[in-house]
Amino acid sequence: EIVLTQSPGTLSLSPGERATLSCGASQSVSDKYLAWYQQRPGLAPRLLIYDASSRAIGIPDRFSGSGSGTDFTFTISRLEPEDFAVYYCQQYASSPITFGQGTRLEIK
Amino acid sequence: QVHLVESGGGVVQPGRSLRLSCAASGFIFSSYTMHWVRQPPGKGLEWVALISDDGSQKTIADSVKGRFTISRDNSKNTLFLQMNSLRPEDTAVYYCARDGGGDLPLDNWGQGTLVTVSS
Repeated sequence: EIVLTQSPGTLSLSPGERATLSCGASQSVSDKYLAWYQQRPGLAPRLLIYDASSRAIGIPDRFSGSGSGTDFTFTISRLEPEDFAVYYCQQYASSPITFGQGTRLEIK
Repeated sequence: QVHLVESGGGVVQPGRSLRLSCAASGFIFSSYTMHWVRQPPGKGLEWVALISDDGSQKTIADSVKGRFTISRDNSKNTLFLQMNSLRPEDTAVYYCARDGGGDLPLDNWGQGTLVTVSS
């Protein structure tokens, strides 16, 4: 099983700032099958990024992803008020599918 | 558009059973692999099970293997999760999610249904 470790656990920033989140894998994630999800309180997760760097349909271009192998990064270039939420990385390269423990992005 | 609606959650005693349903609409249900993912209160996401488009292939997480069963009825566009021998640690919001296929992961999720296992 691939274990994903996200950092930091909590990130405190202000609207307009840049957010950078990390996701490390215990073994290489083949074919870059790494995704990022956003979860706002009380709502289901929403797919933002797949294949490590491809934006899902309807996702604004301020959201981006990069990385390969065991190290992945998710960036929000300029934070909007609605971006403050919890973010999860997920690998779907091998079974079982696994998620990171999440990064909480909070307003400073 | 894609719509997934879970139902069947509630409060159940340890050791009892519960069957969750997920009604799908807005897409060709029989063409997609489907998943269940759960989230304990205040915690992160845990994948539970998947079933292939025709129901011939099923994979279950080790944490629930032997107790949970995934199935589907393509004639009724519905996904199921049969949960037996429930434990307090199974308490969670249970989400059904569509596997986008190809390079896509879980691209559409339902709103979730809460299962509480407590005496």
